[in-house]
Amino acid sequence: GAVVSQHPSRVICKSGTSVKIECRSLDFQATTMFWYRQFPKQSLMLMATSNEGSKATYEQGVEKDKFLINHASLTLSTLTVTSAHPEDSSFYICSASRQARNEQFFGPGTRLTVL
Amino acid sequence: GDSVTQMEGPVTLSEEAFLTINCTYTATGYPSLFWYVQYPGEGLQLLLKATKADDKGSNKGFEATYRKETTSFHLEKGSVQVSDSAVYFCALSGGTNAGKSTFGDGTTLTVKP
Repeated sequence: GAVVSQHPSRVICKSGTSVKIECRSLDFQATTMFWYRQFPKQSLMLMATSNEGSKATYEQGVEKDKFLINHASLTLSTLTVTSAHPEDSSFYICSASRQARNEQFFGPGTRLTVL
Repeated sequence: GDSVTQMEGPVTLSEEAFLTINCTYTATGYPSLFWYVQYPGEGLQLLLKATKADDKGSNKGFEATYRKETTSFHLEKGSVQVSDSAVYFCALSGGTNAGKSTFGDGTTLTVKP
């Protein structure tokens, strides 16, 4: 149980285009989902926290207009990188947690490459 | 705020050697502690966890004990295998920032045959 999927696993796009990444909890209801960014050989950097049905809470320094997060249901959250640029190239990982639980379940990650 | 400090890597061991990766934390309240493993190009997998003081988490031969008195959660394995080569992250959740996780910087382990 507690499986989280991400789609796509890899995406290559041209500079200036937008890319949407989906994060799904397959066998549980995720009241909270988290989006992380990971640079090569570095730890995870939390970008934002989203609760179902409400606006996402962004960490300091993360542009909310560039990284649009939607958490429309208890099993799906999306991250849209708008007007992507090469510096947005990174590994994006989502995680999901159940209500009132400390444990997060991680998706397999999405490798974004912006040309 | 919360913080997690991990032993700096990279760590290189021969097969069947003993592994210790140190992890200490700073947090208020009673956080849960975790070790995650990340293989190249993949997301994080939960390796083991402990939710209260003196709990021992264990999985696949790895162990870690939640030591509140020393605020530590060191990862150990008695005999590593080549397949254990990966990046290991220590993390806590449920501390100062309820619901959020705080991660260490990760320790890269390479096991040579």
